Amino acid sequence: AQSVAQPEDQVNVAEGNPLTVKCTYSVSGNPYLFWYVQYPNRGLQFLLKYITGDNLVKGSYGFEAEFNKSQTSFHLKKPSALVSDSALYFCAVRDKGRVLTGGGNKLTFGTGTQLKVEL
Amino acid sequence: GAVVSQHPSRVICKSGTSVKIECRSLDFQATTMFWYRQFPKQSLMLMATSNEGSKATYEQGVEKDKFLINHASLTLSTLTVTSAHPEDSSFYICSASTSGGAYNEQFFGPGTRLTVL
Repeated sequence: AQSVAQPEDQVNVAEGNPLTVKCTYSVSGNPYLFWYVQYPNRGLQFLLKYITGDNLVKGSYGFEAEFNKSQTSFHLKKPSALVSDSALYFCAVRDKGRVLTGGGNKLTFGTGTQLKVEL
Repeated sequence: GAVVSQHPSRVICKSGTSVKIECRSLDFQATTMFWYRQFPKQSLMLMATSNEGSKATYEQGVEKDKFLINHASLTLSTLTVTSAHPEDSSFYICSASTSGGAYNEQFFGPGTRLTVL
C-alpha cells in the first residue's frame, strides 16, 4: 500500500520569507511524487513532479521540491513567499513498480496543507 | 498543456433526483479517467477509475449503483449521482490520464460543486 503524510494542517509565512511545506511518503517500490495546489472552489493545479534523476525538482511559480530517499520525504519549498501563494497544497505519490507492471496509476494524496502568506 | 473541463461547475438539486457530471479532455485523448470526491477541508478521495470502453473500477466503500460512471469515448467520462441525498453534497473532481510512458500524469478538472437539498 502507498501513503502520504503531510504533518502540518497549516503553515503561516510572512511575505518575502522562505516557505516549506512538508511531505513524507511510503511505497513498496520507487515513488513517483507530485505536488498540486488548489485554490478555493477550484480543481487541482499541477506544480511539479519527481520521476527520476536530479533530486531537486523545479516547478511552476518558483516552487521547488527535494526528493530525499533516505528520509522518504519530498518537501515543497519556495525561497520567497508571495501573498498570492496562499492556497491548499497537496502532495501525492504513485508506486512506480505498480505502474510498470500494469497495476494501475492510482495517485494517493496527502491530507493537504493550508499555506497562508501574510504581509 | 493538457486541459480538462467539467460541466456543470455548480449544481443544486432536490433530494431523490439524479445528477450527471461531465468530464472532458479538451486537447488530448484520455484512456483513463478518475473521479474524486472532496469534503470541505479534506483530501481527495478516489471514487473510481474508468478506462475507455470498459467498466469502471470502484474503490472500496463506493456504491457503484449510486455513482454510475460511463467512459464512452477517449475524451468524455460522465458521473451520474442517482437518487441524490443531502449526504452526497460534495465537491467532485475528475482527472484524465493518457496511456503510454512509464508514468501517466493526471490532469485535473476544475471540479463540480453538488448541493442536494
